Amino acid sequence: SQTIHQWPATLVQPVGSPLSLECTVEGTSNPNLYWYRQAAGRGLQLLFYSVGIGQISSEVPQNLSASRPQDRQFILSSKKLLLSDSGFYLCAWSTGTIVSEAFFGQGTRLTVV
Amino acid sequence: AQRVTQPEKLLSVFKGAPVELKCNYSYSGSPELFWYVQYSRQRLQLLLRHISRESIKGFTADLNKGETSFHLKKPFAQEEDSAMYYCALNYGGSQGNLIFGKGTKLSVKP
Repeated sequence: SQTIHQWPATLVQPVGSPLSLECTVEGTSNPNLYWYRQAAGRGLQLLFYSVGIGQISSEVPQNLSASRPQDRQFILSSKKLLLSDSGFYLCAWSTGTIVSEAFFGQGTRLTVV
Repeated sequence: AQRVTQPEKLLSVFKGAPVELKCNYSYSGSPELFWYVQYSRQRLQLLLRHISRESIKGFTADLNKGETSFHLKKPFAQEEDSAMYYCALNYGGSQGNLIFGKGTKLSVKP
């Protein structure tokens, strides 16, 4: 069966420090991968998606970047965190067809102090 | 641009009352629509999808292309239905890119 792992679950980082959140998927090949940010009042905002290794699309301009070094690995990064980067980050995968279900990780609560 | 709008941030009803969570979308093509749900302390998960035309946990949703809506309905709300509900649109041809509305928090009171 397919599973998705996302870590860490919580993270407190100082302003200006780097960030690396990792997401891995098991049990499937060539998935579509997504990074979302969930914020109260702003809902679920798509940050990045990837349809293959090295292929990253950004939906909103921001202080973050994403990379996909392997087929089932998706990394969210920042060189220097801002206070506004605080939030709840969700990784998800789907089979990539228009009718497919998306499966979500448990999420990472990031607090920038 | 593609967009999903959920006009209500919070919807509060009493147990046994009908529920309708509104969702409108903006997309020039033929999208696939979904409803996702997030119960307290659980992962976001699929509730139902338009293409399946099924009822899940008593919920149904009908796609109205004329009104570009995909409202979620249940005739008799239960306390366990209390959760955050997100409407989602999948576009982008075969690549399946998924965007969500801002979500509606449903609170069912006893």
